[in-house]
Amino acid sequence: EAGVTQFPSHSVIEKGQTVTLRCDPISGHDNLYWYRRVMGKEIKFLLHFVKESKQDESGMPNNRFLAERTGGTYSTLKVQPAELEDSGVYFCASSHGTVAYEQYFGPGTRLTVT
Amino acid sequence: GQSLEQPSEVTAVEGAIVQINCTYQTSGFYGLSWYQQHDGGAPTFLSYNALDGLEETGRFSSFLSRSDSYGYLLLQELQMKDSASYFCAVRDQRGSYIPTFGRGTSLIVHP
Repeated sequence: EAGVTQFPSHSVIEKGQTVTLRCDPISGHDNLYWYRRVMGKEIKFLLHFVKESKQDESGMPNNRFLAERTGGTYSTLKVQPAELEDSGVYFCASSHGTVAYEQYFGPGTRLTVT
Repeated sequence: GQSLEQPSEVTAVEGAIVQINCTYQTSGFYGLSWYQQHDGGAPTFLSYNALDGLEETGRFSSFLSRSDSYGYLLLQELQMKDSASYFCAVRDQRGSYIPTFGRGTSLIVHP
């Protein structure tokens, strides 16, 4: 069974540019989560999809961040325009509805905004 | 507010036993998870405790005391490959499995 995959693994962009991160969850997992870890700090929740619906987006920092989950499959997280403080590692995770506490994480996308 | 405290770093030698503690202060509590993350890798789920007591999975065990707002991860027969960061995470909302993570403990295993 394939795990959670994320693309790209690294992205370096300039302040003001746009970046789109992609996550492919484990097949059959209805729950999809986005998290961010800034260096040395805790992993912070951004938002949660159940299938194609946003269940909780209370962690999204501001309206420069837009997440979508097309047809309840893969998800994208767009940052537009990027700011320096957006740098960090963005993780995606998925879980099955009946064992929702067991989340499977992707390897992350390391975003650097210069 | 909510907070989770765990040591920033723990060192031990191969073959030893190490305990990583986690104390929490949250508005609600429904469970404590542990995750392992190797450098540059994905966090990997290790365990989940919703009730008091010890859960054992191979060389790893996780303990929870809800009355003390405290839990720990116990690693036995340490191996070099156990060198990684370990995060505790609290589920603090009924009906939601979104965890609040601690800052992580870096475990360094020496030969």
